[in-house]
Amino acid sequence: DADVTQTPRNRITKTGKRIMLECSQTKGHDRMYWYRQDPGLGLRLIYYSFDVKDINKGEISDGYSVSRQAQAKFSLSLESAIPNQTALYFCATSDRATGQGRNEQFFGPGTRLTVL
Amino acid sequence: SQKIEQNSEALNIQEGKTATLTCNYTNYSPAYLQWYRQDPGRGPVFLLLIRENEKEKRKERLKVTFDTTLKQSLFHITASQPADSATYLCALSSGAGSYQLTFGKGTKLSVIP
Repeated sequence: DADVTQTPRNRITKTGKRIMLECSQTKGHDRMYWYRQDPGLGLRLIYYSFDVKDINKGEISDGYSVSRQAQAKFSLSLESAIPNQTALYFCATSDRATGQGRNEQFFGPGTRLTVL
Repeated sequence: SQKIEQNSEALNIQEGKTATLTCNYTNYSPAYLQWYRQDPGRGPVFLLLIRENEKEKRKERLKVTFDTTLKQSLFHITASQPADSATYLCALSSGAGSYQLTFGKGTKLSVIP
């Protein structure tokens, strides 16, 4: 089984709809991240969470919200989707136990979201 | 403002040659730098990490250098193979505690048989 899973893998929705993307991990990591990837812009950080009670905005958090339901689950919501949120979304995890100077991140397979 | 540049969007190289990818940054003082591989439609996969006090790191056919004076990292794949074809991303530690990563846009490497 994959260590970091994302659901759904593909989603097409309409402008104004509320969408939730879910991420689960079995790696036992404390830290979880949400990124979006756009052609020509690379990976950009939306939100990150260092534990269940600690959630932080990333570079491009406007229009998004997150929920850390448990150590293993981190959800990303688009309250009212708009076409420029069409992108590939990745969840990632990293392990606090490895200490500063490590922090390699483990990525899920991605969710391709299209907003019409 | 902080900036990461991977100099080539795409790099074509003949099988068996050494591929060299470049990552330059400005207005950062990263504690470490990482390289990831991304295949089409898949999430990035971690390859190597190099710390600010390290000059070079190797793993099998991969070698990474880190020059904090030049603000540059070079990523080498020796004896390249068609299976090495992918997009390679550099990422710098950022944010308080250096636990966040900021990614470059990537270089798409194609190894031609």
